[in-house]
Amino acid sequence: EADIYQTPRYLVIGTGKKITLECSQTMGHDKMYWYQQDPGMELHLIHYSYGVNSTEKGDLSSESTVSRIRTEHFPLTLESARPSHTSQYLCASGRAGGDGTQYFGPGTRLLVL
Amino acid sequence: SQQGEEDPQALSIQEGENATMNCSYKTSINNLQWYRQNSGRGLVHLILIRSNEREKHSGRLRVTLDTSKKSSSLLITASRAADTASYFCATDEGSGYSTLTFGKGTMLLVSP
Repeated sequence: EADIYQTPRYLVIGTGKKITLECSQTMGHDKMYWYQQDPGMELHLIHYSYGVNSTEKGDLSSESTVSRIRTEHFPLTLESARPSHTSQYLCASGRAGGDGTQYFGPGTRLLVL
Repeated sequence: SQQGEEDPQALSIQEGENATMNCSYKTSINNLQWYRQNSGRGLVHLILIRSNEREKHSGRLRVTLDTSKKSSSLLITASRAADTASYFCATDEGSGYSTLTFGKGTMLLVSP
């Protein structure tokens, strides 16, 4: 099991609320990623980071934002949740200079009512 | 954009049988990786094959890569009920950004 953690595991929230999904890793990895995955579907990269103070948008347009103030922490924020944000969000990390292998957290299932 | 496409979308077999899943991709790659995802969980890295390799083994897993056909296959031998999961291929295009592009996955059901 990889040492990467996500909280909360499940979240049910009303439309318009601000939410932050937490992701932390204890492996000292420089690279971190956020993916969105609908049930039974492929993963879509929404944000990634190469290190502290580095953030990039992924392939899938997202209304979320991320920050990387500490190496081990990569939170994702939705300023105003909508039902279209209902999905599973997966966080992953990887070594700089590695072979590209990513280590995933258990995911956060988000339901916006 | 979609890079990896797995085939079949779903596969149902009995314990002890072999399971083969295929992945096709569109662009040149640095390496191709296979991941497993148990229901509602994160992904677990299984095996990586580099673009200059043709075959790789890890326990009951065998991966092949044909860069001329832009395809890969994952073989799980002597399957077990615990192998029930979704399996995804992911390609690293070696662009320097170290992002992976995932396929839609194959759902494998292994019945006792």
